[in-house]
Amino acid sequence: GNSVTQMEGPVTLSEEAFLTINCTYTATGYPSLFWYVQYPGEGLQLLLKATKADDKGSNKGFEATYRKETTSFHLEKGSVQVSDSAVYFCALSAYTGRRALTFGSGTRLQVQP
Amino acid sequence: DAGVIQSPRHEVTEMGQEVTLRCKPISGHDYLFWYRQTMMRGLELLIYFNNNVPIDDSGMPEDRFSAKMPNASFSTLKIQPSEPRDSAVYFCASRNGTVYEQYFGPGTRLTVT
Repeated sequence: GNSVTQMEGPVTLSEEAFLTINCTYTATGYPSLFWYVQYPGEGLQLLLKATKADDKGSNKGFEATYRKETTSFHLEKGSVQVSDSAVYFCALSAYTGRRALTFGSGTRLQVQP
Repeated sequence: DAGVIQSPRHEVTEMGQEVTLRCKPISGHDYLFWYRQTMMRGLELLIYFNNNVPIDDSGMPEDRFSAKMPNASFSTLKIQPSEPRDSAVYFCASRNGTVYEQYFGPGTRLTVT
């Protein structure tokens, strides 16, 4: 079956530090990959996506590259801000079978001023 | 577009009572998903619909849970009778069938005492 594994949190960084949140997946075929962000008390928001190998998704300074050879989709940001403090979820959607997203367990990011 | 709309945002009820959660998907979306989020189990898919028809309800915990989608713009998730272990945040999400990303509502925080 499909699965997503994320690094455990919380991740605590100082403002302007470099961020990496690791995500690896297991899936049949070639899934689409997503990062969602959840701010306190809110629903999940789509942050970025990639639909095929070597695609790079980017949004709000965040980037992630679809690496088929390592089955990974790591989230990066060059300089985090306090406002980036949230929980980040990696997810995949397979092209066949179940049409729902498979989510990782989420990684909490805390950015300190 | 108003996005996915959920009501109520917060619900506090006593054990044994019936609870109904409501969702209005984004207009034009033909998939609707119900998720539950808890600290212990993370995000769990409960059920999803395509063109108002339930496709996969394997995540519904037990017979106390039921979901309906009488038309393209409305869905309900009902718990009867409710139990304290049902306390969680319940999210509704929708998507357009031609793409894979889902759009989430703000969630309903349910507390069963």
